[in-house]
Amino acid sequence: GAVVSQHPSRVICKSGTSVKIECRSLDFQATTMFWYRQFPKQSLMLMATSNEGSKATYEQGVEKDKFLINHASLTLSTLTVTSAHPEDSSFYICSARAVKAPSPGEQYFGPGTRLTVT
Amino acid sequence: AQTVTQSQPEMSVQEAETVTLSCTYDTSENNYYLFWYKQPPSRQMILVIRQEAYKQQNATENRFSVNFQKAAKSFSLKISDSQLGDTAMYFCAFMKQFVQGAQKLVFGQGTRLTINP
Repeated sequence: GAVVSQHPSRVICKSGTSVKIECRSLDFQATTMFWYRQFPKQSLMLMATSNEGSKATYEQGVEKDKFLINHASLTLSTLTVTSAHPEDSSFYICSARAVKAPSPGEQYFGPGTRLTVT
Repeated sequence: AQTVTQSQPEMSVQEAETVTLSCTYDTSENNYYLFWYKQPPSRQMILVIRQEAYKQQNATENRFSVNFQKAAKSFSLKISDSQLGDTAMYFCAFMKQFVQGAQKLVFGQGTRLTINP
């Protein structure tokens, strides 16, 4: 149980285009989902926190107009990178916290999406 | 703001040996949670072990155990009888006590652990 999927796993897009990444909780409902960015050989940096039915909370320095987050249901959150540029190339990871988490702070991570902007 | 520091960028040991990964953190909170996550080459984040700050007893999960020193703000991970499958990046993470909708994980820089045959 507690599986989180991400789609696509890899995406290549041209500079200036937009790309959407989906994060789904497959067998549980998630009130909160988190989006991280990870550069090669570096740690995970939290970009934003999304709560179902409300606006996302962005971390300092993250452009909310560039990284659009929608958490329309208890099982789906999407991250849209708008007008992508090569510097947006990175590994994007989502995690989800269950409505009824067995342990405080329990978060389940997706397998990540590798975005390459050419 | 909370910070997490992992001072060992890379470590390497032989299979079956014991290895300890270091982590220190800085916080003014009294109640919080600490985690060790493993990220193998597949990049999938896997929870290894969790420690609640109010618990004095160190957490243990099979071959994985922690040494939690609250006063020193230290949280090291010991891997006993290391196996090839333990090769991965290991991240130490901090989270404040549960507050509705505000459970952010703060990660350390990571330690790349290689288990050699």
